[in-house]
Amino acid sequence: SQTIHQWPATLVQPVGSPLSLECTVEGTSNPNLYWYRQAAGRGLQLLFYSVGIGQISSEVPQNLSASRPQDRQFILSSKKLLLSDSGFYLCAWSYRSGTEAFFGQGTRLTVV
Amino acid sequence: GIQVEQSPPDLILQEGANSTLRCNFSDSVNNLQWFHQNPWGQLINLFYIPSGTKQNGRLSATTVATERYSLLYISSSQTTDSGVYFCAVNDYKLSFGAGTTVTVRA
Repeated sequence: SQTIHQWPATLVQPVGSPLSLECTVEGTSNPNLYWYRQAAGRGLQLLFYSVGIGQISSEVPQNLSASRPQDRQFILSSKKLLLSDSGFYLCAWSYRSGTEAFFGQGTRLTVV
Repeated sequence: GIQVEQSPPDLILQEGANSTLRCNFSDSVNNLQWFHQNPWGQLINLFYIPSGTKQNGRLSATTVATERYSLLYISSSQTTDSGVYFCAVNDYKLSFGAGTTVTVRA
């Protein structure tokens, strides 16, 4: 069966520090991968999605970047965190566009 | 991209009550999902329902793709049903509505 792993679960980082959040999927190949952010009490905002290795689409101009170094690995990064980067970050996968999507446990990031 | 609208934004129920949540989308889609976000933030898959009707215990969902809406029914609500319910459509990416916050009071 397929599983998605996302870590860390919580993170407190100072302003100006770098960020690296990792997401991996097991049990499938060439999945679509997604990064979402949810600000406190609000809906989900799509940040990045990827349909294959090295293929990253950005939805919102921001202080973040994403990479997909391996087929089932999706990484969210920042060189210098801002206070506004605080939020709940969720990784998701689906077989392909138009099929059921599944989410990881999420990372709660607080920038102080 | 596709616009997804959910209503109502907030819903307060007494335990045992029934309710209906609505999701409208702006263009034809082949896929629609309903999720429940629990107090810990985890998104739980409820239904993958591009069309038709499905039931899972006290929850059921209906999607009328030709009319661009989906409904989620909660029957005999329990306090554990509290949380935020999202619908999302998956064309080439996953697009979410703003969610309905459900509070079930004992």
